[in-house]
Amino acid sequence: DTEVTQTPKHLVMGMTNKKSLKCEQHMGHRAMYWYKQKAKKPPELMFVYSYEKLSINESVPSRFSPECPNSSLLNLHLHALQPEDSALYLCASRESGGTGLDTQYFGPGTRLTVL
Amino acid sequence: GESVGLHLPTLSVQEGDNSIINCAYSNSASDYFIWYKQESGKGPQFIIDIRSNMDKRQGQRVTVLLNKTVKHLSLQIAATQPGDSAVYFCAENIFQGAQKLVFGQGTRLTINP
Repeated sequence: DTEVTQTPKHLVMGMTNKKSLKCEQHMGHRAMYWYKQKAKKPPELMFVYSYEKLSINESVPSRFSPECPNSSLLNLHLHALQPEDSALYLCASRESGGTGLDTQYFGPGTRLTVL
Repeated sequence: GESVGLHLPTLSVQEGDNSIINCAYSNSASDYFIWYKQESGKGPQFIIDIRSNMDKRQGQRVTVLLNKTVKHLSLQIAATQPGDSAVYFCAENIFQGAQKLVFGQGTRLTINP
């Protein structure tokens, strides 16, 4: 089973709203990732958590705030977003949280629209 | 077509034919490569991977070739089917504080009946 789940599937929010995206995996994976994908573009890395600690922040604006409550869950808190933040937000997980080479498995994504 | 440039390269093949999708990667320190398939409205789906100490790896109907000398990766799909229509991304794995993937621009593959 290589399933990563994401909720909600779709989200529409205003620029003054606060919302959260959720990601869950029960594969015992120790690294989890947030990506942003614009239409007709490849996924762009935002954050990496390894063993529940933030390992990489790719200079993401502070209006995006990640959280890893436990090894199975990854949240992305959204506040004061801009219309250009509208995109598909993808979560991924990987078995090894360290330097091991293994595959990242992606969830179906959350389609976010900021009005 | 190669996954370079600002537009999404496209490749059209007849059903049943073989297809080859190419990718140029940038980092000579990359040690692991993955091909993903992404259908409309879905997340990327793992197809096949290859480590940098190999030059070829085969799966079911798919083969990945790696040429480290020219930093080139290709995905061959045999006997294409309508369900193979999707965008295909190559990704190179590098370590920068954690293992991370850098994606190519992608190629849209269309299978014509």
